[in-house]
Amino acid sequence: QQQVKQSPQSLIVQKGGISIINCAYENTAFDYFPWYQQFPGKGPALLIAIRPDVSEKKEGRFTISFNKSAKQFSLHIMDSQPGDSATYFCAALEREGGSNYKLTFGKGTLLTVNP
Amino acid sequence: DGGITQSPKYLFRKEGQNVTLSCEQNLNHDAMYWYRQDPGQGLRLIYYSQIVNDFQKGDIAEGYSVSREKKESFPLTVTSAQKNPTAFYLCASSIGTGSSYNEQFFGPGTRLTVL
Repeated sequence: QQQVKQSPQSLIVQKGGISIINCAYENTAFDYFPWYQQFPGKGPALLIAIRPDVSEKKEGRFTISFNKSAKQFSLHIMDSQPGDSATYFCAALEREGGSNYKLTFGKGTLLTVNP
Repeated sequence: DGGITQSPKYLFRKEGQNVTLSCEQNLNHDAMYWYRQDPGQGLRLIYYSQIVNDFQKGDIAEGYSVSREKKESFPLTVTSAQKNPTAFYLCASSIGTGSSYNEQFFGPGTRLTVL
């Protein structure tokens, strides 16, 4: 059972365009939603994250939009650049009991930004 | 430099052999994690540890074992019972207990190939 559904699997955007990646979840126990960026052969790195008590968070060209009632959140990359070409993962964090916190990842989106 | 190191970067194993992947962090983080990454599958949690001498199974623990004898080290053993061990293995750490909003920092990964 896939707890965090991510789409699309791959995305091609022209330089300067907007890249949009969507994620949906079912588990209402999730209470923190980070996005990770991964370049080939490297480990993922945190890009931006949002808590469910806000509807939008912006950091530079990257924005997360969060819709709690729809249980959906999305990453928008404005003015996309070839250097943004990478795999992007959404994730959701839940508390499993006691002090155990667990991240569940989406399957990833391979973004290619053409020059 | 503070960070997470994984070794080796590439590892080849014959079928039927156990192999141990190393993960060390000098971030003074309490929590450590092991993920497996397969193409198109995202990151799946194998094991995690919130404190020394304690660890929990993740979603795909079968065929793997871990130990957490020191705060800075969390080695993963891929046993011969793991049916399909060829994958990219990622280690991560986070501050740990006390807050649900703990960023996970990832190592550079180990690519394991079973011959």
